[in-house]
Amino acid sequence: GQSLEQPSEVTAVEGAIVQINCTYQTSGFYGLSWYQQHDGGAPTFLSYNALDGLEETGRFSSFLSRSDSYGYLLLQELQMKDSASYFCAVRSDSWGKLQFGAGTQVVVTP
Amino acid sequence: DVKVTQSSRYLVKRTGEKVFLECVQDMDHENMFWYRQDPGLGLRLIYFSYDVKMKEKGDIPEGYSVSREKKERFSLILESASTNQTSMYLCASSPQGRGPYNEQFFGPGTRLTVL
Repeated sequence: GQSLEQPSEVTAVEGAIVQINCTYQTSGFYGLSWYQQHDGGAPTFLSYNALDGLEETGRFSSFLSRSDSYGYLLLQELQMKDSASYFCAVRSDSWGKLQFGAGTQVVVTP
Repeated sequence: DVKVTQSSRYLVKRTGEKVFLECVQDMDHENMFWYRQDPGLGLRLIYFSYDVKMKEKGDIPEGYSVSREKKERFSLILESASTNQTSMYLCASSPQGRGPYNEQFFGPGTRLTVL
């Protein structure tokens, strides 16, 4: 079957670093995406990794290891506004279909 | 800016009613998707479309159908609404994925309650 596993919740204080892991088992793999969703809002795209390694975009970085079927999203210098749900998603075909994980709720405390 | 709009933010329907959820995107995207989102289950794909008049079943198509008569519009239809279809419904669009990635752009969602 197809599955994506990520932790359900992570709590951290402002200024800290948080790593959200994602392991996947899917029938097709073209890349791993990360989306952010604030309460009551729509998911928005954060990053995409098609090749192994680290991609950095400001305070957020994303990593992929295709041989381990594993990736992570790293949130640095946490801010209160980073409190949200974060979803990993596997691009499972060449046209752009995504399969999402259940999401990780990140709670940032003062 | 890419804009994906959905016809209603909140909807309340009765069991057995036929329900139409409309989604319109203004960026000439080929791909359109319908998801439902439930707590602890993430986003689950109901149906998707890679072209006008084309539709493919996602992971949970039972009880739903779709229509794509125009490129910009993708409709989700609940033929006979049931209480277990109470959920948040999200529509998304993306350009066709021949490039390195194809970000999906989401609408604001429709929270459907079936009584």
